[in-house]
Amino acid sequence: NAGVTQTPKFQVLKTGQSMTLQCAQDMNHNSMYWYRQDPGMGLRLIYYSASEGTTDKGEVPNGYNVSRLNKREFSLRLESAAPSQTSVYFCASRVPGQSYEQYFGPGTRLTVT
Amino acid sequence: AQSVTQLDSQVPVFEEAPVELRCNYSSSVSVYLFWYVQYPNQGLQLLLKYLSGSTLVESINGFEAEFNKSQTSFHLRKPSVHISDTAEYFCAVRSLTGGGNKLTFGTGTQLKVEL
Repeated sequence: NAGVTQTPKFQVLKTGQSMTLQCAQDMNHNSMYWYRQDPGMGLRLIYYSASEGTTDKGEVPNGYNVSRLNKREFSLRLESAAPSQTSVYFCASRVPGQSYEQYFGPGTRLTVT
Repeated sequence: AQSVTQLDSQVPVFEEAPVELRCNYSSSVSVYLFWYVQYPNQGLQLLLKYLSGSTLVESINGFEAEFNKSQTSFHLRKPSVHISDTAEYFCAVRSLTGGGNKLTFGTGTQLKVEL
C-alpha cells in the first residue's frame, strides 16, 4: 500500500495562474481532507469530504475549490493563485471508525510569486 | 467550538535529557486527543492518542502523554530524548459532539535535540 500520495511535490506559480493539487489514497477510507501549513499557524483545514460525492468547507476555504472524483481521489484547485496561498499543502484520509485518526500525504510545497 | 493551545513554539533540549511538550485544549464536552509528529520535509504521523480508558498513553518510541480532564491538558513527555526525536510535534483534538468529521490542530512545537 502506498498510503496517501500527493502530486506534485513542488510547484511555483505566478500570481493569477491556476493549478490543481492531486491526492489519492489506497486504504479505502471514506473521509479525506486538505490542509495548509504555515509557520506559526499549524495546520488549518481548507476543505474536507466525508464521503464520495460530498464536500464541505473548513476553516480557510476562500480561494480554493475541491473535487471528490471518486473514493480514492480528492483534488484541490486554485483558480487564481495569490502570494497569500504560498504554503505547504497536505492531504489526509481518515481511518474508519471512532478513532478519527488521520493518515497524511508527504505534502506539496507551493510558492506563488 | 474546540481549540488547542501549544504555548511553546520551540523547545531546545540536550540529548538524554527529559522533555515535556505542553498541550491544552478548550472544549465543553468530552474529547479525543492526539499527538502527531512531523519529521523534516515529511507529512504528519500519529504518535499516540487518547480515546478513553487509562489516562496515560504511550508510543512505541518512548513518548507518553497523560490526559488531565480537570486541567484540560494532554502534555507529551519523554524521559530521555535522542537526536532522532528532533521534529515538530502537533497536538490535536476532536470533540465527541459537534466536532463533525474533523480534527483541530495546535500551532506545533519544534523540538530540537542537541548534543
